[in-house]
Amino acid sequence: DAGITQSPRHKVTETGTPVTLRCHQTENHRYMYWYRQDPGHGLRLIHYSYGVKDTDKGEVSDGYSVSRSKTEDFLLTLESATSSQTSVYFCAISEFASGDNEKLFFGSGTQLSVL
Amino acid sequence: KNQVEQSPQSLIILEGKNCTLQCNYTVSPFSNLRWYKQDTGRGPVSLTIMTFSENTKSNGRYTATLDADTKQSSLHITASQLSDSASYICVVSYNTDKLIFGTGTRLQVFP
Repeated sequence: DAGITQSPRHKVTETGTPVTLRCHQTENHRYMYWYRQDPGHGLRLIHYSYGVKDTDKGEVSDGYSVSRSKTEDFLLTLESATSSQTSVYFCAISEFASGDNEKLFFGSGTQLSVL
Repeated sequence: KNQVEQSPQSLIILEGKNCTLQCNYTVSPFSNLRWYKQDTGRGPVSLTIMTFSENTKSNGRYTATLDADTKQSSLHITASQLSDSASYICVVSYNTDKLIFGTGTRLQVFP
């Protein structure tokens, strides 16, 4: 998966608890993204980063925050997990902005269940 | 409203047969169209990227077509293999930096 590691791969948590998902890349790509994938929906962008400490919101950012203190790491935090955040979360990277003729490389995903 | 619709939702074929998956979009302004393959339990992997001026692009047994006038794309798989069993996702880029993902077609290839 193009030098992208997501951790954990599976997580079960309770409503109201904080959760942090980690994405680590070894490709030195500038752009990193967090998506969620749910049945009946296409992948939806949560947040993205265009450099160290440079982040911006995607279309479904409510309830999520991100941080990028190093080029290789992009963290997604659910401050207080809710059942609606049960989903599969994918990290993706690209060397240039995703809208250009630029491939996105995806990690293997984190299955998060909020009970 | 920007939308990407794929059909069929699911498809079953026998090994060795060909198949075609469809993608219709209402996205503006159009930048490019991509097809991804997603194996169960894995992240999507890029198959092709096509710009406005390209109407065909191949990647091995996968051939994507694009008709920008009718806003339709297709992905044709030739001589299917068991390893082609996966979801195929159509993605359209617009406004130069935004992506909208279809919900995918789930393909199952049986021996």
